[in-house]
Amino acid sequence: AQSVTQLGSHVSVSEGALVLLRCNYSSSVPPYLFWYVQYPNQGLQLLLKYTSAATLVKGINGFEAEFKKSETSFHLTKPSAHMSDAAEYFCAVSAGGTSYGKLTFGQGTILTVHP
Amino acid sequence: GAGVSQSPRYKVAKRGQDVALRCDPISGHVSLFWYQQALGQGPEFLTYFQNEAQLDKSGLPSDRFFAERPEGSVSTLKIQRTQQEDSAVYLCASSPRDRSEKLFFGSGTQLSVL
Repeated sequence: AQSVTQLGSHVSVSEGALVLLRCNYSSSVPPYLFWYVQYPNQGLQLLLKYTSAATLVKGINGFEAEFKKSETSFHLTKPSAHMSDAAEYFCAVSAGGTSYGKLTFGQGTILTVHP
Repeated sequence: GAGVSQSPRYKVAKRGQDVALRCDPISGHVSLFWYQQALGQGPEFLTYFQNEAQLDKSGLPSDRFFAERPEGSVSTLKIQRTQQEDSAVYLCASSPRDRSEKLFFGSGTQLSVL
């Protein structure tokens, strides 16, 4: 069984500040981990993924995440927030193999960016 | 090219009505997934197709939910005798091949059951 916990349903930062969105996972098998972003009235878009290669993963729009097995974490960061980063972010886990697309999502974190 | 298209964008149903939600995946995509997203929650897996074969339907919440993809392209999610708890956004996603970890999501169908 797999699960994802996103700490903080709402995060607010100032433009130019560090963005840190927290994700912890539970998995009985080596996990595949993902971050998706959802803008209003749009579909989920893949930001980045970890699939057992490098533990520091770089994604689109300047985001990156680090897989830490010892902490069962996959936190999402961006050094400097832009207004356009305001959206809802979802962390997700899958078991890989034949279950690649069967994702278990967290509850989401809404990111607000203040000017 | 066109992304994943879902229709209708919004659907209002009276309790007890049957509804059908349509998903047009990206052309040539082998795998297709349905997810249900309740208000304030993350999406939850419903079912998965590889071409026309439904390989996993473990997430369908009851036998009122039925999905099909008869020709391996367009898919329809049908909900019979809708209940208020069925109100949610239904998301469709496709991927270009089996075992592809990148899913392309549609914008969803928002179903409201009154």
